[in-house]
Amino acid sequence: DTAVSQTPKYLVTQMGNDKSIKCEQNLGHDTMYWYKQDSKKFLKIMFSYNNKELIINETVPNRFSPKSPDKAHLNLHINSLELGDSAVYFCASSQEGLSRYNEQFFGPGTRLTVL
Amino acid sequence: GENVEQHPSTLSVQEGDSAVIKCTYSDSASNYFPWYKQELGKRPQLIIDIRSNVGEKKDQRIAVTLNKTAKHFSLHITETQPEDSAVYFCAASIEGNNRLAFGKGNQVVVIP
Repeated sequence: DTAVSQTPKYLVTQMGNDKSIKCEQNLGHDTMYWYKQDSKKFLKIMFSYNNKELIINETVPNRFSPKSPDKAHLNLHINSLELGDSAVYFCASSQEGLSRYNEQFFGPGTRLTVL
Repeated sequence: GENVEQHPSTLSVQEGDSAVIKCTYSDSASNYFPWYKQELGKRPQLIIDIRSNVGEKKDQRIAVTLNKTAKHFSLHITETQPEDSAVYFCAASIEGNNRLAFGKGNQVVVIP
């Protein structure tokens, strides 16, 4: 009964490759996010979708392309991977109107290592 | 946009002592301030939050205080235990706005 799930948990790949990370939430939330957490633990927002529509798009290289086929899924595709892309990527979701307004529920994270 | 500063970046305390982490924010329109705890290798999880219409909120050993005039808020952990060792993130947002501005995190180490 995992609330927010991500696959894969670990991803090791060579520079220049293209990879995808998948995220699914079964909480019925309308909004989903992607965060990047670097080695210094800083949580940086990358994208946010609300009901499949992009609402936040931070200054992220266009090699990163999010895709939301429905409001329960938000996938992240990364082209031409670079060493600096190595990080932990967290998916999260939230829903307005719950008792803990704006609480974001995070997935377990995907540790991406680019060699 | 909102800028949240968090300090100190690391904090070591003896088990049983109290720990205090302070955050400042820049946007006076922010009215929702959550704290997230991230244990080693785990996901961030909400532990307590406060809205701008109250000055303090407690939940067992943790409490959060808010000073709107000074634009800062703090997390207080009393009677610290080894399981309190984690990275703590403060954040700020405007209710109705899905964007949370996170601080850079604070590593708390509880020494047994």
